[in-house]
Amino acid sequence: EADIYQTPRYLVIGTGKKITLECSQTMGHDKMYWYQQDPGMELHLIHYSYGVNSTEKGDLSSESTVSRIRTEHFPLTLESARPSHTSQYLCASSGSSGGAKNIQYFGAGTRLSVL
Amino acid sequence: DAKTTQPPSMDCAEGRAANLPCNHSTISGNEYVYWYRQIHSQGPQYIIHGLKNNETNEMASLIITEDRKSSTLILPHATLRDTAVYYCIVRVAHLGGGAQKLVFGQGTRLTINP
Repeated sequence: EADIYQTPRYLVIGTGKKITLECSQTMGHDKMYWYQQDPGMELHLIHYSYGVNSTEKGDLSSESTVSRIRTEHFPLTLESARPSHTSQYLCASSGSSGGAKNIQYFGAGTRLSVL
Repeated sequence: DAKTTQPPSMDCAEGRAANLPCNHSTISGNEYVYWYRQIHSQGPQYIIHGLKNNETNEMASLIITEDRKSSTLILPHATLRDTAVYYCIVRVAHLGGGAQKLVFGQGTRLTINP
């Protein structure tokens, strides 16, 4: 079992609200990722971090922002939620050891609905 | 870039072995084969990975052909809880700082029937 946690699991919120999706991992992984997935569709990378104080944008444009102040935390923030932000947000992490460095472990996801 | 081809859907009877194929004919010599699955509304779950040799863990077995152009994930005794979308991944996009993005395709929707 992967030790990566996302809260909340479900969130229904009104347009214009500021929200933060939490992601924490206890594996000491230096790399963390945020993916976005609509129902029945592929996962798209929106943010990643390769260590403390590093944040990078993925290949899917997103109005969200992220921060990485501590190794174990990688929260995602939407300053003003809109219905177009309705989606599932998945957090993942990976380490740097071993030949297969790409094993990413995912959290359970946050399903966001913006009304 | 290596890409994969998987059947869109498969059915398997509970208790039987589920064999999920994946073609990756353009795989490079140093690219691993990863398998993940995603149960409805949950995050993807890592299953197994391999480079050349067959691999087995508590969840599944991975058989990679000698030419590495295809592989098969085997769930030896499928249960209803194995119903999920299974992804075979060989393509990894290299990002900054050594981070790497897994490229998920459409996967195979496996249904285990009672």
